Amino acid sequence: AQKVTQAQTEISVVEKEDVTLDCVYETRDTTYYLFWYKQPPSGELVFLIRRNSFDEQNEISGRYSWNFQKSTSSFNFTITASQVVDSAVYFCALSEIRNNAGNMLTFGGGTRLMVKP
Amino acid sequence: ETGVTQSPTHLIKTRGQQVTLRCSSQSGHNTVSWYQQALGQGPQFIFQYYREEENGRGNFPPRFSGLQFPNYSSELNVNALELDDSALYLCASSPYRLAQSTDTQYFGPGTRLTVL
Repeated sequence: AQKVTQAQTEISVVEKEDVTLDCVYETRDTTYYLFWYKQPPSGELVFLIRRNSFDEQNEISGRYSWNFQKSTSSFNFTITASQVVDSAVYFCALSEIRNNAGNMLTFGGGTRLMVKP
Repeated sequence: ETGVTQSPTHLIKTRGQQVTLRCSSQSGHNTVSWYQQALGQGPQFIFQYYREEENGRGNFPPRFSGLQFPNYSSELNVNALELDDSALYLCASSPYRLAQSTDTQYFGPGTRLTVL
């Protein structure tokens, strides 16, 4: 069975600090996808990134960067120079490929990030 | 391009009642998934619909059922409501194109259900 663990339930930083959100996953499949979503207080899950299990290249998008390490089953997310608008709950999710059986997302418990001015 | 929309925004029901939640998928998307998110937890997969048929189900009892319509919109029905059904119900749509693929799911704003 697949599982996603986000050990940090809550992180508090001061604006302009860098912060890393940890994600560890478990799966028996060799082909899978990993995601990060942001959930602001409004409740809607906002898609941030999707990576497949064959692509271990790190990715950078503006102040956001992701570090995928298959050897440690981790997919960590770093926000550089955090801003108050980054305050939200962040979810890591895993999707395995199923033959005509849907592509369900398995989410971690989320990390609440609070960025103080 | 219109995103995923859900209605109603909030709903209050009493134990034992039935509820129907609605979702319109993003333009060009043919697959709809439903998730339940209890307070302080991550979303849990309920089921997915593709071509008007259930295409995968999570660990939820049969009193959770759904429909998908020819325009790809979807309904989630919950019968015999229990207090533990109080949660944020999220709908997500995606362009399911291949049998062995997984596309990004884009979420709506959710329906907050309170069962008293």
